[in-house]
Amino acid sequence: DVVMTQSPLSLPVTLGQPASISCRSSQSLVYSDGDSYLSWFQQRPGQSPRRLIYKVSNRDSGVPDRFSGSGSGTDFTLKISRVEAEDVGLYYCMQGTHWPLTFGGGTKVEIK
Amino acid sequence: EVQLVQSGAEVKQPGATVRISCNISGYTFTDSYIHWVQQAPGKGLEWMGFVDPEDSRSVYAENFQGRVTITADTSTDTVYMQVNSLGSDDTAVYFCATGLTIPQGGYWGQGTLVTVSS
Repeated sequence: DVVMTQSPLSLPVTLGQPASISCRSSQSLVYSDGDSYLSWFQQRPGQSPRRLIYKVSNRDSGVPDRFSGSGSGTDFTLKISRVEAEDVGLYYCMQGTHWPLTFGGGTKVEIK
Repeated sequence: EVQLVQSGAEVKQPGATVRISCNISGYTFTDSYIHWVQQAPGKGLEWMGFVDPEDSRSVYAENFQGRVTITADTSTDTVYMQVNSLGSDDTAVYFCATGLTIPQGGYWGQGTLVTVSS
């Protein structure tokens, strides 16, 4: 199975400051069609996960543009340009290139 | 508006079977795979498997193969997930989700808490 490793585990951030979460896969996530199936999910306390980004850098409808995804091959990053209070929660990366689908262990974003 | 509405919380004894439903509205049922994801208390997300509503084909993660069955009912746009031989480590919240990797997917249900306790 593809192992997804996220860092850091915990990310204290000052409101209005940027934040960055890293996700590394144990194998390349480039699929035979040329796309990389790497998604990012946000899970606010007590809520269901919500997808923010699919195929590395595509924002889902309704996702604020302060969220952006980048990366290629085995290294990927989720960036929040200016953290707001509503961004507190857990963030997971997930690969969908190889079966079974696998998630990273999660990064907890909190306000300093 | 896309909605995935799951059935309510369950309390089961060890060795029992649980069946959870996920009704989908505002979304073309056959447009994508419907996945199930497990989240144990205080833990991360684990993919369990999916069903393709178009042909009822199911694929399972190795950890759940043989004990989990995912089915789709196209007459009611409802997906079911059944877990047999429940043990204490099956205590978790279970989520259904549409097309986790595709542009038109990414929607999640509200989650169903299953508690296994004697």
